[in-house]
Amino acid sequence: AQSVTQLDSQVPVFEEAPVELRCNYSSSVSVYLFWYVQYPNQGLQLLLKYLSGSTLVKGINGFEAEFNKSQTSFHLRKPSVHISDTAEYFCAVSDRGYSTLTFGKGTMLLVSP
Amino acid sequence: NAGVTQTPKFRILKIGQSMTLQCAQDMNHNYMYWYRQDPGMGLKLIYYSVGAGITDKGEVPNGYNVSRSTTEDFPLRLELAAPSQTSVYFCASSEKTALSSGANVLTFGAGSRLTVL
Repeated sequence: AQSVTQLDSQVPVFEEAPVELRCNYSSSVSVYLFWYVQYPNQGLQLLLKYLSGSTLVKGINGFEAEFNKSQTSFHLRKPSVHISDTAEYFCAVSDRGYSTLTFGKGTMLLVSP
Repeated sequence: NAGVTQTPKFRILKIGQSMTLQCAQDMNHNYMYWYRQDPGMGLKLIYYSVGAGITDKGEVPNGYNVSRSTTEDFPLRLELAAPSQTSVYFCASSEKTALSSGANVLTFGAGSRLTVL
C-alpha cells in the first residue's frame, strides 16, 4: 500500500513570489505521481503528472514538479504566483499495478497582494 | 461535453434517513470512483468500479452502497444517515487503468455537499 504526506497544511505567500509545495510518498513498488488543484467550491482538476521519463514535469498555469526517487518526493513549484493561484493542492500516488489513487491531505496555497 | 455530473449539489438529511447521490459521466470511461472530502483530511476512497456490474470497496466503505448497472452511472447510496457522513462527496471517472498503457487520470465532478443533522 502507498501513502502520501503533504508537509504543509497552509502556505501563505505574496503575489509574484516563488512557491514550493512539498509532497513525499511511500510505496514498495514503482508509482505514478500527480498533483491536482481544487479551486473554491469546485471539483479537483489535474495540474500535472509523472508517469516515466524526465523527472521534471511541467503542468498547466506555469507549475512544475520534480520527481526524486531517492528522496521519494514530488514537490510542486512555481517561480511567480498570482492571486488566482489561491486554491488547495493535492498530491496523489498510484501504484503502477493498481487502479486507484491515494491522496495527501492537501496544502492550501494562500496568495496575498 | 458535460464530463462528470453529480446531483444534488447540496442536501440536508436527518439522522436515519436514506438518500442516493447520483453520478453520471458521458466520456465512456470504464472506471468510476466515489471519494469523500473532509477538512484537513484530503480525499478518502469510498467505493470504485472497474466496469458495469463490478464494484469494490475503497478505504472507507462502511455506511455506503453502490451499484454500476451501466457504464455511465454510478450512484452512491446512504441507507441510515449518520452525522459522521457529513462531508463533501466527489465522483470521478477515468479512462485508462494502471494495468493498461497509462496511468489513471481522474476527471472529477463538482461535488455534492451533504449535511446530516
